[in-house]
Amino acid sequence: AQSVTQPDIHITVSEGASLELRCNYSYGATPYLFWYVQSPGQGLQLLLKYFSGDTLVQGIKGFEAEFKRSQSSFNLRKPSVHWSDAAEYFCAVGAGQAGTALIFGKGTTLSVSS
Amino acid sequence: DADVTQTPRNRITKTGKRIMLECSQTKGHDRMYWYRQDPGLGLQLIYYSFDVKDINKGEISDGYSVSRQAQAKFSLSLESAIPNQTALYFCATSSGLAGGEQFFGPGTRLTVL
Repeated sequence: AQSVTQPDIHITVSEGASLELRCNYSYGATPYLFWYVQSPGQGLQLLLKYFSGDTLVQGIKGFEAEFKRSQSSFNLRKPSVHWSDAAEYFCAVGAGQAGTALIFGKGTTLSVSS
Repeated sequence: DADVTQTPRNRITKTGKRIMLECSQTKGHDRMYWYRQDPGLGLQLIYYSFDVKDINKGEISDGYSVSRQAQAKFSLSLESAIPNQTALYFCATSSGLAGGEQFFGPGTRLTVL
C-alpha cells in the first residue's frame, strides 16, 4: 500500500539558516509527489510537485525538492528561512487513477527562531 | 473570489445529529475530494469523486456519506455525528491531469459534543 513518512514532527530553525524537511514514500510505480504548506488557520497551498523529468524541482517561495528513487525520498529544502515560513508542511504521494487521490504524511511543523 | 468554498466554516453540534458540509468550486474541475485533518495525523481521504456519476471511498469512509449534486458541488454528510468526528474538514478539487495538483478549500472546523 502507498504510504508517506515524515520522520520529523517538529523542527526549529533560526531565521536565515537553511532548511531540509524529510519525506520518504512507499509506492509501487513512479510516484507523483507533492509538498503542501499550511499556515495557521489556513487551507493547504501547493509548494511544488514532481511527476517526471528533472529530479530537482523548484517551487514557490524559494523552496526546492529533490526526488531520489534509490532512497524513496522527496526532501524539501530552502537555503535561507524567513520568519514567514513558520507553518506545517505536508508531503503527499499521488495514488489511484492518474495519481490524483493523495496520501499525505503526518506533517512537519516548522518553527522559526529569531 | 475563492475558487473552492466550504460552508459552514465552523460548526458545533451534538452527538447523534445529522450534519452536512458543503463544497463548491468554480475551477471547472471534474474531480473533488473530502479530507479530514486531525492534529498529528495529517490529512486522511474520506471520499472522492471523479465525475458526477463516480463516487469512491477513501481511507476512512465509515460514518460518512457524500453526494455529488453537480460538477461544481460535493457535499459530505455525517448521518449521526459522534465526538471522534471532531476535526478539520477540507474539500479539494483537481483537473484529473496526470500529476495535477489539488486545490483546497479553507476548511470547516467541526466540533461534536
